[in-house]
Amino acid sequence: ILNVEQSPQSLHVQEGDSTNFTCSFPSSNFYALHWYRWETAKSPEALFVMTLNGDEKKKGRISATLNTKEGYSYLYIKGSQPEDSATYLCAFRRSYIPTFGRGTSLIVHP
Amino acid sequence: SQTIHQWPATLVQPVGSPLSLECTVEGTSNPNLYWYRQAAGRGLQLLFYSVGIGQISSEVPQNLSASRPQDRQFILSSKKLLLSDSGFYLCAWSPPDSYEQYFGPGTRLTVT
Repeated sequence: ILNVEQSPQSLHVQEGDSTNFTCSFPSSNFYALHWYRWETAKSPEALFVMTLNGDEKKKGRISATLNTKEGYSYLYIKGSQPEDSATYLCAFRRSYIPTFGRGTSLIVHP
Repeated sequence: SQTIHQWPATLVQPVGSPLSLECTVEGTSNPNLYWYRQAAGRGLQLLFYSVGIGQISSEVPQNLSASRPQDRQFILSSKKLLLSDSGFYLCAWSPPDSYEQYFGPGTRLTVT
C-alpha cells in the first residue's frame, strides 16, 4: 500500500493571505504527481501534472514544485480569494494507477 | 473534444438492492477507465480500472463489480448493496500512455 500524505488536513486563511500545502509520497519508482482542485458536489479539476524532479508549474496565482528525490510536492496559492476555497488533492503515480492523498481543505474567509 | 458522462447524478437505494452506475467517454479511443469512491470522511479510493474492453482490475475486495462492454463504456454494479457502499462515486478516464486523468461529474449514492 502506497502512503501519500497531505498536510495540513484543513486550513483557514483570510482573503489576500498566501498559503501552501504539502504532499508527501514514496521517493522510489516515481512516474507522475498530480494536483487537483475539488469543490463540494463537483468533480476534481486537474491543476498540474508533474513528472520531472525540480518541475515547477504555475497557473495564475497557483503554483507547484516537485522534489522526487525526497518525495514531496508543495502547492502555493498567492493572495487567496474566497473562490479558492476547495479541497486540494494530490495523487502519486508509479504507473497508470494513481494513489490519492486525503486532501487539504482550504477555506478562505472574506 | 473529449467529454465524460456519468449517471445518475444522485441515487437513494435500500440495503440489499442492486446497483448499476454507468460512465461513458466521448471523443477518444481506447481510454484507460477508472472507478473511484469517496466514503464519508475519507479520501478517494480506487475501486477498479480498465485498460481495454473486458479487462478489469480490482483494487479493493468488496461486493462491487465492474464491466467494460464497449471501448468507452464503464459500468459499476452490485447485486446487493450494503450500508457501507454509500458514498460519492467518480468515474475517470485517461488517454493511453498519458499522465493526464479527467473525472466525470460523480454519483452521490445513499444506501438506506
